[in-house]
Amino acid sequence: DGGITQSPKYLFRKEGQNVTLSCEQNLNHDAMYWYRQDPGQGLRLIYYSQIVNDFQKGDIAEGYSVSREKKESFPLTVTSAQKNPTAFYLCATGERTDEQFFGPGTRLTVL
Amino acid sequence: KNQVEQSPQSLIILEGKNCTLQCNYTVSPFSNLRWYKQDTGRGPVSLTIMTFSENTKSNGRYTATLDADTKQSSLHITASQLSDSASYICVVSARYGNKLVFGAGTILRVKS
Repeated sequence: DGGITQSPKYLFRKEGQNVTLSCEQNLNHDAMYWYRQDPGQGLRLIYYSQIVNDFQKGDIAEGYSVSREKKESFPLTVTSAQKNPTAFYLCATGERTDEQFFGPGTRLTVL
Repeated sequence: KNQVEQSPQSLIILEGKNCTLQCNYTVSPFSNLRWYKQDTGRGPVSLTIMTFSENTKSNGRYTATLDADTKQSSLHITASQLSDSASYICVVSARYGNKLVFGAGTILRVKS
C-alpha cells in the first residue's frame, strides 16, 4: 500500500445516491488510476489520469466521474447512473503504465 | 483481443507443499508480465516482473517463469506457508498503449 491511501474502507450507498471515494498519494507519481474488481473477474479500468487537470475514460467509465485538481488526489464519484456499483474499488499510481502501485481499496455496497 | 487467462481458478494445498500457478496470454506486442499477490480485502502487491528477454525471476519462495514463444508464465511457490493464502494475479503490459491486461486470478488457500 505504501504512500497510497483510500477512504473510506467500507462504503454503503442507497439507491439513487451519489458517493465519492477518496484516493490520495504521496509518492509524487504523475499517473493515477481507478479500477473496479468483481469476484471471478480481472481488474477493469474505470478512469485514469496522467497529469493534473486531465483524465481519460477507461473500459467501464459509464456511471462514474473523476477529477484531478491536485497531483496528490484523484477522487472517484459513483453516480446514480451506475446501476450495479457493488464492488471492490482500487486506486493505483505509477510513473509508468506497466508499474502501478495499488492502494488498500474501498468496498462499496448498495443497500 | 488482448486477454490473460489463469488456471486453476482456485487451489487448496497443505502447508509446506509446493504449487504452481499458470498464466496464458494473448497480449501483443508484449512488454512485460507481473505477478501480484492480493490478500483478502487488500490491494495487490507486486511479486515479480519479467520482460521479453527474461525467463526466470525469483523473489524468496516465489519463482516466476516466462516462455515468450508460447506466451505462457507460471508462478511456483515453494514450501508454502499459511500466509501464502491469497489471490495471485497475472498482469501483462503491451508495448504500446496505456493499459494493463489483468487475469482473473488464482485463489490459493494453504491449510495446516
